[in-house]
Amino acid sequence: EAGVTQFPSHSVIEKGQTVTLRCDPISGHDNLYWYRRVMGKEIKFLLHFVKESKQDESGMPNNRFLAERTGGTYSTLKVQPAELEDSGVYFCASSQVRQGGLHFGNGTRLTVT
Amino acid sequence: RKEVEQDPGPFNVPEGATVAFNCTYSNSASQSFFWYRQDCRKEPKLLMSVYSSGNEDGRFTAQLNRASQYISLLIRDSKLSDSATYLCVAHGSGNTGKLIFGQGTTLQVKP
Repeated sequence: EAGVTQFPSHSVIEKGQTVTLRCDPISGHDNLYWYRRVMGKEIKFLLHFVKESKQDESGMPNNRFLAERTGGTYSTLKVQPAELEDSGVYFCASSQVRQGGLHFGNGTRLTVT
Repeated sequence: RKEVEQDPGPFNVPEGATVAFNCTYSNSASQSFFWYRQDCRKEPKLLMSVYSSGNEDGRFTAQLNRASQYISLLIRDSKLSDSATYLCVAHGSGNTGKLIFGQGTTLQVKP
């Protein structure tokens, strides 16, 4: 079974630019999550999709972040325009059931300069 | 105050030692709890779920005390390969899928 895959693995962009991160969940997993870890802090929740619907987006930092999951398969997370404080590792995860353990992707390491 | 608190360590132990990690959570409505393991520059991986009755998986034992809002992980007969960061995780209250992570406890097992 293929795991959760994320692309790109690394991204270095300048402040003010746009970046789009992609996540392909495990096939058949309706639940898809985005999390972020900034330097020295704990991993924090950004949002949760159930199929194509946003179930909980309480963790999204501000309106510079836009997540989509058209068709309920892969998801994208766009940051526009990027700021220095957006640097960190962005993890995507998926699960079959809502209250179960999550399967995480390898993460995208974003550096904003 | 953080919702899930852990001692960041590091814990430096010799091979074969028994080591225990503790964690507290602030939201009494949290329903489910987990320990995840994260190796350096890798993604978190589920180690085990934590149940009130206590549960064991090989050398690993997890305990949950809902009254004290306290979670523990015990590792017996430590191996070099156990070196990693151990993340205490609570599931948010209600019908959410949101996980609340602690900052992690770093374990270094030395030969």
